[in-house]
Amino acid sequence: EAQVTQNPRYLITVTGKKLTVTCSQNMNHEYMSWYRQDPGLGLRQIYYSMNVEVTDKGDVPEGYKVSRKEKRNFPLILESPSPNQTSLYFCASKKGARSDYTFGSGTRLTVV
Amino acid sequence: RKEVEQDPGPFNVPEGATVAFNCTYSNSASQSFFWYRQDCRKEPKLLMSVYSSGNEDGRFTAQLNRASQYISLLIRDSKLSDSATYLCVVNDLGGGADGLTFGKGTHLIIQP
Repeated sequence: EAQVTQNPRYLITVTGKKLTVTCSQNMNHEYMSWYRQDPGLGLRQIYYSMNVEVTDKGDVPEGYKVSRKEKRNFPLILESPSPNQTSLYFCASKKGARSDYTFGSGTRLTVV
Repeated sequence: RKEVEQDPGPFNVPEGATVAFNCTYSNSASQSFFWYRQDCRKEPKLLMSVYSSGNEDGRFTAQLNRASQYISLLIRDSKLSDSATYLCVVNDLGGGADGLTFGKGTHLIIQP
């Protein structure tokens, strides 16, 4: 089944403890992206990648890192999480520049 | 800054009614357009693409008006299961970015 898989689905962590949210797609898509969604603010792009080893900042990159060492994987790294990073996170992938995104099921992160 | 604007609602509509909502975009060079559906706390899912000639899929019709820079979504014979948030998405393909800009969504509630 063609899909975007992100893990974990739920995560509660403490301020400052490094964490990684994994994202994998099995559709051989070129583009991958991370979004966060907060009430009233909609989806905001954190980082995106147009291909292996090519990443770029979205609208809200501060406090996050990403890497694209393989085409299928695009992990999101929070080196020192803070409470303002409590949010619902979505990973997404798309085939090409004109395509629509397919989203993963989301990761609900709480930083206390 | 590229903008995609939607009325957040909520739109409360009786079951069986026809409902329509619009989305305006600021970049006249925008090239492709989509409507996504998002259920509460779930991932956004592609509802339909919007073509220059319009697009119809069952009870759903999407139209594009390039001159006035808006797209619309019409839902006929609305069902309780249509209750969701509908996201307008515009693809600009500009500036080396991944191109997609999401609206904040219109919340639709179908009432029995």
